[in-house]
Amino acid sequence: QVQLVESGGGVVQPGSSLRLSCAASGFTLSNHPLHWVRQAPGKGLEWVAVTSFDGSNQFYADSVKGRFTISRDTSKNTVFVQMDSLRTEDTAVYFCARGIGVALAGPLDHWGQGTRVTVSS
Amino acid sequence: DIVMTQSPDSLAVSLGERATINCKSSQSVLFNSNNKNYLTWYQHKPGQPPKLLIYWASTRESGVPDRFSGSGSGTDFTLTISSLQAEDVAVYYCHQYFRTPYTFGQGTRVEIK
Repeated sequence: QVQLVESGGGVVQPGSSLRLSCAASGFTLSNHPLHWVRQAPGKGLEWVAVTSFDGSNQFYADSVKGRFTISRDTSKNTVFVQMDSLRTEDTAVYFCARGIGVALAGPLDHWGQGTRVTVSS
Repeated sequence: DIVMTQSPDSLAVSLGERATINCKSSQSVLFNSNNKNYLTWYQHKPGQPPKLLIYWASTRESGVPDRFSGSGSGTDFTLTISSLQAEDVAVYYCHQYFRTPYTFGQGTRVEIK
């Protein structure tokens, strides 16, 4: 069955970097866009970034543009988000989620369980 | 950016009664060429990932109970739970995927009265 598993979260200091992974199984990642969505403690969902089905296009929320980079490794069926210059406001649970079909614009039908990132001095 | 505003922020409904959540977008999310509204509704329970309920504003995801329905077009949308069950206690979010950056509403918490 379709499964997404995030990893790479942890506790880091402001200004540092972290790379999150999202390993997909039960489907071919190259046939779907893949999103990252986060939820800060006590807050709502915030869309973070998306990579297109073929990895040719990436889009970001204003809050992370220039600091986060989304990429994919087709051979490993895995998507990554490289997070640089981390700020305390990046503290959140990060979810990866699959987009339906190949179109960039579409609903997110499968989600991982999330990985927690804490940015604190 | 398209701002999504939900109302109310929270509501308490008796078991078996109707719950209605509204979502308003700052710009239309209706794509005229295919007449589709690029709007989804998600249910989010603590400790779980969000669950897709409704997409294209009114299409129910497979396996979602038919007490959940979505309506609206353009900038104004509604999620209705026709007969609230105990397992429906959650936070509900609308989400637009019409234009990047894609954005969520602030969420509506649904509780049992």
